[in-house]
Amino acid sequence: NAGVMQNPRHLVRRRGQEARLRCSPMKGHSHVYWYRQLPEEGLKFMVYLQKENIIDESGMPKERFSAEFPKEGPSILRIQQVVRGDSAAYFCASSPTVLTGSNTGELFFGEGSRLTVL
Amino acid sequence: AQSVTQPDIHITVSEGASLELRCNYSYGATPYLFWYVQSPGQGLQLLLKYFSGDTLVQGIKGFEAEFKRSQSSFNLRKPSVHWSDAAEYFCAVGPPTNAGKSTFGDGTTLTVKP
Repeated sequence: NAGVMQNPRHLVRRRGQEARLRCSPMKGHSHVYWYRQLPEEGLKFMVYLQKENIIDESGMPKERFSAEFPKEGPSILRIQQVVRGDSAAYFCASSPTVLTGSNTGELFFGEGSRLTVL
Repeated sequence: AQSVTQPDIHITVSEGASLELRCNYSYGATPYLFWYVQSPGQGLQLLLKYFSGDTLVQGIKGFEAEFKRSQSSFNLRKPSVHWSDAAEYFCAVGPPTNAGKSTFGDGTTLTVKP
């Protein structure tokens, strides 16, 4: 059973360009989370999605950042007009759905996408 | 609001020595608690978790953690550290209800001396 798949693993963008990061959750997982890890810091929650719904985006910057998890296909984290401060590792995690429709909170992480903004 | 504090940013231990990494949390009810490990350039891997029941939980790679409600702590321990344990360790508190997000501490970097 494949784990959480993220791509690209490394992405280099110039200031003002767009970055798109993709995440395919583990099979059978319907909850997806995006976290950002700045150098020498811990993980900061960005957004929590279920299929076709944004459940909690309280950690997302108000501008330039957006996320989606369509009915078909991977979850996408999109950063428009990137700036140097966006350079970080972006981790996607998924969690299982138990029969009650809720999640257990245990997260399964991908290996991350490392964005460098020149 | 839930929060997690890992007081030690960096810990160095000798190979074969015992290890304890501290974690304190703030949350109003019984939380879901986790320890994750991150090797350089990699994602996070779950070491162990506490949901309910026995307050001493066993995890992978010989790690264990003890939930102490009175101290709001969930410290990670290992009796004998191996060089391969060098990594960054994150404590996390899970969602207050059965939906939501986890809050992570800032991590403790473990260095193992030969």
